[in-house]
Parts: sequence; C-alpha cells; structure tokens
Amino acid sequence: GENVEQHPSTLSVQEGDSAVIKCTYSDSASNYFPWYKQELGKRPQLIIDIRSNVGEKKDQRIAVTLNKTAKHFSLHITETQPEDSAVYFCAAPTGTSYGKLTFGQGTILTVHP
Amino acid sequence: NAGVTQTPKFQVLKTGQSMTLQCAQDMNHEYMSWYRQDPGMGLRLIHYSVGAGITDQGEVPNGYNVSRSTTEDFPLRLLSAAPSQTSVYFCASSYLGPNSYEQYFGPGTRLTVT
Repeated sequence: GENVEQHPSTLSVQEGDSAVIKCTYSDSASNYFPWYKQELGKRPQLIIDIRSNVGEKKDQRIAVTLNKTAKHFSLHITETQPEDSAVYFCAAPTGTSYGKLTFGQGTILTVHP
Repeated sequence: NAGVTQTPKFQVLKTGQSMTLQCAQDMNHEYMSWYRQDPGMGLRLIHYSVGAGITDQGEVPNGYNVSRSTTEDFPLRLLSAAPSQTSVYFCASSYLGPNSYEQYFGPGTRLTVT
C-alpha cells in the first residue's frame, strides 16, 4: 500500500515569511496529491490539490509542486498570516479504490504576528 | 445541503461498553470512510465503503464494525470500548471516479474511554 511521510512535524514562522511543507510517497502509480488544512477543533478541509500531469499549481498565496521522479510533493505558503496557523496534511491515493487516501502525519504551522 | 453530519460530538464511555457513532451525508456520495485522529499520527483509515452493501477494512480496523445499508448512512460501531480507542473520529465522503478524490469531512466525534 501507499506510504506517505510528511516533514516537518512542526513549523514556526513570522508573519510575512514563507512556509514549505514536504511529503514523500511510495507508490509510483499515485496520480493525485491533495493538501488539507485543519484549524483547531475543526474538520480537515481541502485547500489545494495537484494531479500527476502537472508540476505546479497555484491558488493565490498557496502553491503545490510535484516531482514524480523523486516521488515528493510540497506545499508552499507565501506571505503567511496568523490565520494560516493550523495543522496541514498531505495525502496520496491508496490501492485501486479511487476514494481511498493515505494521509501524512501532519504539520503544525504557527505564524507569529 | 448539510454536507456530512456526525453524532454525537462528544462521548465518554467506560471500558467494555459498546456504542455507535453516526454519520450521514446528503451529497449522494458513493464513497464513505471513517478515520481516527491521534496526536502525531495524522488521520488513519478505519473502514471504508464504495457503495451500499459494500464495506472494507482500512489501516486500523480492529475493534470496530461498520455497515452501509443506504447511500446516506455509514455508522461505526465500537464493540467493546478500550482506552486505546480514545480519539477523535472523523467520517468523510466523496464521489468515486478517476477525477474525484476530494474528501468532505464531518465535524468529528471526540471519544474518551475510561
């Protein structure tokens, strides 16, 4: 099955700095890589995803890059704001069931004003 | 649309008790799943279903049962609660298909087993 490793486990930045979170995956057949954000006490919500036919995708201050050869993908947040403070999870598909995802261990991002 | 709903929000059980966590979705999603979330361990898949009458085990299925009699509902049963099952439980649903993976999560159930 798929194995997803996420680093770092915690990340502390000053407001306005950039933040980068990295994930590696094991199944070379994986073709979809989402990122979820979970605010304290809330449910995880999808913030951005990328499919294997593209190398980068941007949405305002967030971007995701994918390196299929190295089997890793990264979340980039620019001009961080205190409201970006949350736990971020990466994920990758598991097996042949389209809906089934394996999640990384999560990164606690803290943005200091 | 209510999206994905879960009940109860909080529950305290004694060791050995059984209970059912409820999950429902009104988006006509084929795929439904249960995760548990523990500190430092991300979201781990307990059981999942790709349609009514079809269920399968995930990464951590021991001690849990599920059934899927309708498209909308996917209850999770704890057979004999243990302190190791203290966790936050999330139900999620999504469409099935080669271009459909986004999981929609419920608000979660915080379970404490004493």
